[in-house]
Amino acid sequence: DAKTTQPPSMDCAEGRAANLPCNHSTISGNEYVYWYRQIHSQGPQYIIHGLKNNETNEMASLIITEDRKSSTLILPHATLRDTAVYYCIVRDDSGAGSYQLTFGKGTKLSVIP
Amino acid sequence: DTAVSQTPKYLVTQMGNDKSIKCEQNLGHDTMYWYKQDSKKFLKIMFSYNNKELIINETVPNRFSPKSPDKAHLNLHINSLELGDSAVYFCASSLTGGTGELFFGEGSRLTVL
Repeated sequence: DAKTTQPPSMDCAEGRAANLPCNHSTISGNEYVYWYRQIHSQGPQYIIHGLKNNETNEMASLIITEDRKSSTLILPHATLRDTAVYYCIVRDDSGAGSYQLTFGKGTKLSVIP
Repeated sequence: DTAVSQTPKYLVTQMGNDKSIKCEQNLGHDTMYWYKQDSKKFLKIMFSYNNKELIINETVPNRFSPKSPDKAHLNLHINSLELGDSAVYFCASSLTGGTGELFFGEGSRLTVL
């Protein structure tokens, strides 16, 4: 079972920031938060990940609360191509070099012109 | 250059047949995975191989048999196909000691008639 809770859907106006929330209240101290997205009919795509500190890369920013029980993915200037299902995942390290990702239902983000 | 490539992209077959899906990665990764995405869009891990050794084997019928001839390849063979096997199958890879990011292929859509 997924360890995260996300809203099933969100809308965002093109050019505005998209803020996607995620709750992971049972996260343990050494578990990372990962974000992936899946554009229609494509394979999932890695966006960003973090442990405690906020992270930023060329795609997005990740804000993790101090208690680590929730996080927010921020797409600073959403475009139509950002329409996708966004998955927030707490990484379960299965050991032996295997990074098992348990996908939940995700948030369907629709960017509206 | 495609990092994780799967063939075939589409596969339509009759119940009871045996089929294979091939996956190759040119990223130098040492771990490969198979995920299944059903009609309800849930992504579930099926298998994980690290350095050609099986690490994860979720509750999957034994009609599904992964084979890893080398670190760059993980093929999925399915015997006695059933209607419920219809899904999109995604191959992925990652690197031990890396960021934990999984690189996914574009998927292979299997339709069993």
